[in-house]
Amino acid sequence: ETGVTQSPTHLIKTRGQQVTLRCSSQSGHNTVSWYQQALGQGPQFIFQYYREEENGRGNFPPRFSGLQFPNYSSELNVNALELDDSALYLCASRGPYTEAFFGQGTRLTVV
Amino acid sequence: AQKVTQAQTEISVVEKEDVTLDCVYETRDTTYYLFWYKQPPSGELVFLIRRNSFDEQNEISGRYSWNFQKSTSSFNFTITASQVVDSAVYFCALSETNYGQNFVFGPGTRLSVLP
Repeated sequence: ETGVTQSPTHLIKTRGQQVTLRCSSQSGHNTVSWYQQALGQGPQFIFQYYREEENGRGNFPPRFSGLQFPNYSSELNVNALELDDSALYLCASRGPYTEAFFGQGTRLTVV
Repeated sequence: AQKVTQAQTEISVVEKEDVTLDCVYETRDTTYYLFWYKQPPSGELVFLIRRNSFDEQNEISGRYSWNFQKSTSSFNFTITASQVVDSAVYFCALSETNYGQNFVFGPGTRLSVLP
């Protein structure tokens, strides 16, 4: 039990649509990161939020965006979905002096 | 650019055997942190171990041990007396911070421990 909850667990969307994935972190975890994990590959860093501000971004286009809220929840939004966006999306949160704790992920399928 | 390589795609062992997972990394940073995470079928990544770049002392923690060699940029992970519950995908990861952020993950090694 990591204390990081992601919803939904599975999602099917059509190419071109928009999707919002949600993550709920432990109290005090003011840093949240999102990762994309394609089938059979390692997770790839999308971006990170610290105190509601984006403070790091990987090699992902602007149609991947996020929000972090004061209640330690966060969102990943993806616009104009493409087939290659099909993946497991992982949220990781941590406090000032803790390791990163990962959620179980949201499996997104784009058809 | 940072990169992590795990040359072993899949490994199968019989229960109680020892198994070593290989990891080679690339970074230009002088200070960095290496991690091993386990991903069971449920999907979440579970933290196993962490090592910083200025401490090459190898350690043992229960059934886990690791061998960090800066000269060869390797950070290998060994499970002693493997158990069926160890079956999972194992990821080696590199981070610029002690507690891990902006991880660069390797492609993973799928470990199957057979009864």
